[in-house]
Amino acid sequence: EAQVTQNPRYLITVTGKKLTVTCSQNMNHEYMSWYRQDPGLGLRQIYYSMNVEVTDKGDVPEGYKVSRKEKRNFPLILESPSPNQTSLYFCASSPNGGFIGYGYTFGSGTRLTVV
Amino acid sequence: AQKVTQAQTEISVVEKEDVTLDCVYETRDTTYYLFWYKQPPSGELVFLIRRNSFDEQNEISGRYSWNFQKSTSSFNFTITASQVVDSAVYFCALSLSGSARQLTFGSGTQLTVLP
Repeated sequence: EAQVTQNPRYLITVTGKKLTVTCSQNMNHEYMSWYRQDPGLGLRQIYYSMNVEVTDKGDVPEGYKVSRKEKRNFPLILESPSPNQTSLYFCASSPNGGFIGYGYTFGSGTRLTVV
Repeated sequence: AQKVTQAQTEISVVEKEDVTLDCVYETRDTTYYLFWYKQPPSGELVFLIRRNSFDEQNEISGRYSWNFQKSTSSFNFTITASQVVDSAVYFCALSLSGSARQLTFGSGTQLTVLP
């Protein structure tokens, strides 16, 4: 089944403790992206990657890092999480260099709480 | 810059009522895509429909229908004979030229269908 898999689904952590949220897709998609969802704000893009070793900042990149060493994986790294990063996170992927006119597949989400 | 407005933050209806969720968008581009996503209480994003700016035909899918009107920059979503399982947050989104990098979400409408 074609899908984007995020792990973990739920995570509670403490301020300052480094964490990684994994994202993997099995569709050989070039484009991958991370979003955060906050009440009243919809989804906002954190980082995106056009292909292996090609990443760039989205609209809200502060406090996050990403890497794209393999086509299928796009982990989101929080080096020193803070409470304002408590949010619902989504990974997404698409073929065709980020053209989503034919489809954009989202993962199931990771609910992160930083205390 | 593009913008998507979902003015209805929360809507409550009683089961079997019809309900319309409003979506108004702003863009100066002539080529764009519009989307609706459903987010049930479990949190995942469920794709509902995609429409490009050159296709103003309205669409019906079972109890769901969409009314795209370029003249009023609106892409409204109607659920006929609502059911409790329709309770969710619904997001409207706009993508310029179908680009994921140019994807803007509305703030969402929380729909509650009461039994």
